[in-house]
Amino acid sequence: SAVISQKPSRDICQRGTSLTIQCQVDSQVTMMFWYRQQPGQSLTLIATANQGSEATYESGFVIDKFPISRPNLTFSTLTVSNMSPEDSSIYLCSVAGGGSYNEQFFGPGTRLTVL
Amino acid sequence: QKEVEQNSGPLSVPEGAIASLNCTYSDRGSQSFFWYRQYSGKSPELIMSIYSNGDKEDGRFTAQLNKASQYVSLLIRDSQPSDSATYLCAERGSAGNMLTFGGGTRLMVKP
Repeated sequence: SAVISQKPSRDICQRGTSLTIQCQVDSQVTMMFWYRQQPGQSLTLIATANQGSEATYESGFVIDKFPISRPNLTFSTLTVSNMSPEDSSIYLCSVAGGGSYNEQFFGPGTRLTVL
Repeated sequence: QKEVEQNSGPLSVPEGAIASLNCTYSDRGSQSFFWYRQYSGKSPELIMSIYSNGDKEDGRFTAQLNKASQYVSLLIRDSQPSDSATYLCAERGSAGNMLTFGGGTRLMVKP
């Protein structure tokens, strides 16, 4: 499976600021996704990052709050804008493509704490 | 609204026993099912995928799918303390590649 890295691995931010999280894959992949995992909770899909077009957002998530870029088939960014303590979560990128079941594999995650 | 349900646990089993983790789903159109293992502070790791009714075995792990009853299970044979983690069930429906996750079951294997 692809090797996925994320930067930063963790950050502590002040309310009202923004943080951009990077996801880098060591091979070209068709599908990239961004998930959020709130403390003690399961994973919730934020959006699908589409190469060459706008991301597709799930219900409850909007582009103004979570702008996403996907400039090529190996890289994507997620920005968490105008942060509040409720945004404190782990943010995970995942990739899919190529396997029999189009399995998704996750990056190591970015642990965000908003004060 | 698609739903994937899991018992949150913790499920406690002695070392060497079989751990049985269960998951039910609401979407009859679901095509593929996945089990992820997540250690505390780590990201989910894919351990099993299953598409067809029946059993699929990989080492100590067996995934079981019953589409008529809309459940999928994971059996872990010869459980080890290193298997202690949260196990997440996920399904992918017929439209797109979106995964819907259950809440996860915490497994504790006691020496």
